[in-house]
Amino acid sequence: GAGVSQSPSNKVTEKGKDVELRCDPISGHTALYWYRQRLGQGLEFLIYFQGNSAPDKSGLPSDRFSAERTGESVSTLTIQRTQQEDSAVYLCASSLALGRANYGYTFGSGTRLTVV
Amino acid sequence: GEDVEQSLFLSVREGDSSVINCTYTDSSSTYLYWYKQEPGAGLQLLTYIFSNMDMKQDQRLTVLLNKKDKHLSLRIADTQTGDSAIYFCAEIFTGGGNKLTFGTGTQLKVEL
Repeated sequence: GAGVSQSPSNKVTEKGKDVELRCDPISGHTALYWYRQRLGQGLEFLIYFQGNSAPDKSGLPSDRFSAERTGESVSTLTIQRTQQEDSAVYLCASSLALGRANYGYTFGSGTRLTVV
Repeated sequence: GEDVEQSLFLSVREGDSSVINCTYTDSSSTYLYWYKQEPGAGLQLLTYIFSNMDMKQDQRLTVLLNKKDKHLSLRIADTQTGDSAIYFCAEIFTGGGNKLTFGTGTQLKVEL
């Protein structure tokens, strides 16, 4: 597509439920990144994919968080047994390739997750 | 380590210049970026600079890099109300793949 698409744009869930967030990167972008932005804070790195492998999962906050990617396409971020501290905007970005840093990333508009 | 710091707020009058500052710690960073985030929106890449450059100009935007002091700044000339947003600097952390490490963001408010 023309840009990075994330769905849903907003999600309200009850504490303890599982949620799945989806990211559709720009076609042809091999690298995909997930970040979390808590209210009034900067971006916290979660995980990145090169193709469908995830060389760096160091940012995932706990084992309740997992992510997968199908080929060089859609990625899903799953949060199990959600807690109130998981409330944040989850941003996805894609880039043409690792090592092409001059392209920067293209970000989606994010999914605003609220855990009540 | 990977630490990028910015001041939290900046207020300027319309038509004045804005200067947003950033300090970073990874001396081996290859690229440094400025992103803009408007309310309810994702991040938009404004400009970037390669670490062997001192300055880059792009229309109303000027990026200055002082590699010795690990200091990056973004100057916006003739600031307009549409420039009101949060501005993030970011660096590529070369020790950890190609992930961008972001600062905390500077909220720019442009007053009439």
